[in-house]
Amino acid sequence: GIQVEQSPPDLILQEGANSTLRCNFSDSVNNLQWFHQNPWGQLINLFYIPSGTKQNGRLSATTVATERYSLLYISSSQTTDSGVYFCAVGMELTGGGNKLTFGTGTQLKVEL
Amino acid sequence: DTGVSQNPRHKITKRGQNVTFRCDPISEHNRLYWYRQTLGQGPEFLTYFQNEAQLEKSRLLSDRFSAERPKGSFSTLEIQRTEQGDSAMYLCASSLTGAHEQYFGPGTRLTVT
Repeated sequence: GIQVEQSPPDLILQEGANSTLRCNFSDSVNNLQWFHQNPWGQLINLFYIPSGTKQNGRLSATTVATERYSLLYISSSQTTDSGVYFCAVGMELTGGGNKLTFGTGTQLKVEL
Repeated sequence: DTGVSQNPRHKITKRGQNVTFRCDPISEHNRLYWYRQTLGQGPEFLTYFQNEAQLEKSRLLSDRFSAERPKGSFSTLEIQRTEQGDSAMYLCASSLTGAHEQYFGPGTRLTVT
């Protein structure tokens, strides 16, 4: 099956710092999503980005599908950004559904 | 739009008991997915419904697991004869037909003692 690798596995930042999270995947995909999992386990949608670049406030993401990687940028980090960031890639299922395969995540801690 | 909801949020059960979880997708979302997440890992796909039809099942879904979506709205996931290895977070997601983006519920955390 498809392999998804995220780096770094752990990251500690001072509040206000910038960071880049990376996601590499092993095969062509038709879906790529970035999620933030909060301490209660809720997966929060950040970006749906199978290709191209998107920005949402302090966050932005770029996916280069031909080279099979995606980047998530966090600028001016805040303590509320702490948590686990997951990249998930999708492949088509019977009937047009989409099976997401997740990476192992980047554990981010933002300190004052 | 209240998002995907799941009940219960937490379940503690003894080994060998049966448990059932419920997922209510976002209204008008025809596709519904179940995933399982163990500690320190990303979620893993279990099964997928298009309306009431279960179209795909992972090898992770042993014969002790059964999922239904009888009227194409809410779904239930039942685990029979629970084992300690079933302890995990069970996540439900939904999406619109024709769209790939999935939206997740808050999950049901199962602990088997």
